[in-house]
Amino acid sequence: AQSVTQLDSQVPVFEEAPVELRCNYSSSVSVYLFWYVQYPNQGLQLLLKYLSGSTLVKGINGFEAEFNKSQTSFHLRKPSVHISDTAEYFCAVANQAGTALIFGKGTTLSVSS
Amino acid sequence: NAGVTQTPKFQVLKTGQSMTLQCAQDMNHEYMSWYRQDPGMGLRLIHYSVGAGITDQGEVPNGYNVSRSTTEDFPLRLLSAAPSQTSVYFCASSYSPTTGELFFGEGSRLTVL
Repeated sequence: AQSVTQLDSQVPVFEEAPVELRCNYSSSVSVYLFWYVQYPNQGLQLLLKYLSGSTLVKGINGFEAEFNKSQTSFHLRKPSVHISDTAEYFCAVANQAGTALIFGKGTTLSVSS
Repeated sequence: NAGVTQTPKFQVLKTGQSMTLQCAQDMNHEYMSWYRQDPGMGLRLIHYSVGAGITDQGEVPNGYNVSRSTTEDFPLRLLSAAPSQTSVYFCASSYSPTTGELFFGEGSRLTVL
């Protein structure tokens, strides 16, 4: 069965520093991978997704992720973070039945000045 | 655009009480789902629906019922509330559950005493 593991529960960084949020997946079939962001007291919204094609995926707010099949990873990166990027980030993979997304446990990104 | 609307936003119940969390979407999405979010657990799927009259169980369905009589509405019923059901509940909809964007409501925070 598909699953995702987010390797860091909390990532503190300073403003304008680069950041990487790590996500590993397990799947025996083709994968569809996603990153969602949740700002405080809000629902989740899509940052980016990988369905096929180019392994480097660009999303909103300057984020990008790279699909690495050999490493079974889908890490999220941003070259320079802002205070407003403080949020919880979720990696997700589509289940094999094609009926739902399976979410990781989340990574809290805290950006300070 | 209303998107996905959940009501109520907050609710306190006593053990054994029943209640219904309402979810409505105006995007004509066939797919709708309910997740619960607990600290350190990420989002876990409770139930989902691929169209009016069709529902199925997710990862954590016990203690919850759903029905889908219209495309727009997907209510979640707690039959006999238990403290373990204290959580934040999110409704989400999409044109495709595994390749499309999931649109989330703002959440319903439920406390069971």
